[in-house]
Amino acid sequence: QKEVEQDPGPLSVPEGAIVSLNCTYSNSAFQYFMWYRQYSRKGPELLMYTYSSGNKEDGRFTAQVDKSSKYISLFIRDSQPSDSATYLCAMGKVGFQKLVFGTGTRLLVSP
Amino acid sequence: GAGVSQTPSNKVTEKGKYVELRCDPISGHTALYWYRQSLGQGPEFLIYFQGTGAADDSGLPNDRFFAVRPEGSVSTLKIQRTERGDSAVYLCASSLGQGMNTEAFFGQGTRLTVV
Repeated sequence: QKEVEQDPGPLSVPEGAIVSLNCTYSNSAFQYFMWYRQYSRKGPELLMYTYSSGNKEDGRFTAQVDKSSKYISLFIRDSQPSDSATYLCAMGKVGFQKLVFGTGTRLLVSP
Repeated sequence: GAGVSQTPSNKVTEKGKYVELRCDPISGHTALYWYRQSLGQGPEFLIYFQGTGAADDSGLPNDRFFAVRPEGSVSTLKIQRTERGDSAVYLCASSLGQGMNTEAFFGQGTRLTVV
């Protein structure tokens, strides 16, 4: 069993939809939870990160962490075609050191 | 430069050959990380440097893989006797330090193909 599980998709939604992306994990030592966006043939770009449990909002993006369930989510409101990319969750025990990534979920937003 | 720079962008090599992949971190960043991303997978940690020293190399898959950062800036990932299974995108990232809130910025990667 992988430490971090993420559905690879693809997830197809119409423009304007609310998107929910999720990851589960098994290692309770993880304290830092990140979401990266990766366009084709580009490096991952950090969207948001949170420490421990709770919610964090940044514009159209909201990240949620539920450590009791070992479950994290990223919500995208008013999705745009430019949001079409692969979304990677990542987790660490100490900040950004030695991150463990999910496989990534490919998101397709159609106009 | 403004971001993490990796060269070459693409590298095709024959099985058994030796390759070097270069990473230029963001100026002033003391922490540097190497990850490997296979097709359809997320990045997998290889090694990270704090300054010139390898602080954690537990992700290197075997002794064919080695990385250096002699002056605490540019890093080179070296792969000996390449195998077809080494084909992947090799990503480098850097951050200001190893503190809790120091974001790691990724380069665009080097796509290695072993034929």
